[in-house]
Amino acid sequence: DVKVTQSSRYLVKRTGEKVFLECVQDMDHENMFWYRQDPGLGLRLIYFSYDVKMKEKGDIPEGYSVSREKKERFSLILESASTNQTSMYLCASSLSGTGSYNEQFFGPGTRLTVL
Amino acid sequence: DQQVKQNSPSLSVQEGRISILNCDYTNSMFDYFLWYKKYPAEGPTFLISISSIKDKNEDGRFTVFLNKSAKHLSLHIVPSQPGDSAVYFCAASAWGDDKIIFGKGTRLHILP
Repeated sequence: DVKVTQSSRYLVKRTGEKVFLECVQDMDHENMFWYRQDPGLGLRLIYFSYDVKMKEKGDIPEGYSVSREKKERFSLILESASTNQTSMYLCASSLSGTGSYNEQFFGPGTRLTVL
Repeated sequence: DQQVKQNSPSLSVQEGRISILNCDYTNSMFDYFLWYKKYPAEGPTFLISISSIKDKNEDGRFTVFLNKSAKHLSLHIVPSQPGDSAVYFCAASAWGDDKIIFGKGTRLHILP
């Protein structure tokens, strides 16, 4: 079974703090994703990484950056947290889609509250 | 512009009856469709998928129907059970594309 783990289930931070969300997958997947989920807005892609050190902006990258130094680990960084970044953050991974369809496997999510 | 639309934010169904969740898409390049289920405070889990070469895919109580000409798909759950109460996300992707486009979700309530 694919396992995607996220470093924290719940996190409370103050406005202006630098926040790190960590995600680790154990299935040697090439692709990793960060989404945020907000009521009425569904899942919105923040960043996507298709290989180590490779990244691509998603639909809402503003205020976020990412790091992928190792294949199994994908970090989401909030450089200066703001209250509008209060959300559920979901990490996912998948095999490379080249020549096939590949579902994404999600971690349990991190509920981040910025005060 | 939403490429995957779930127009019903919520749906209530009596236990034992059929639940039908609908999804529309606009991008004709999409040829693979997925449904994910999400409980509160958990990550989404994959439920069922269908490729565009089929018009139906069944897995136990779950069946997905695809109408390509109408760019419409639906998820049928028969019979509905209390554990089916969750948010259901419709999603779509294109061959070779690593990204999946998600709808906004439909919250399904199964009533006793």
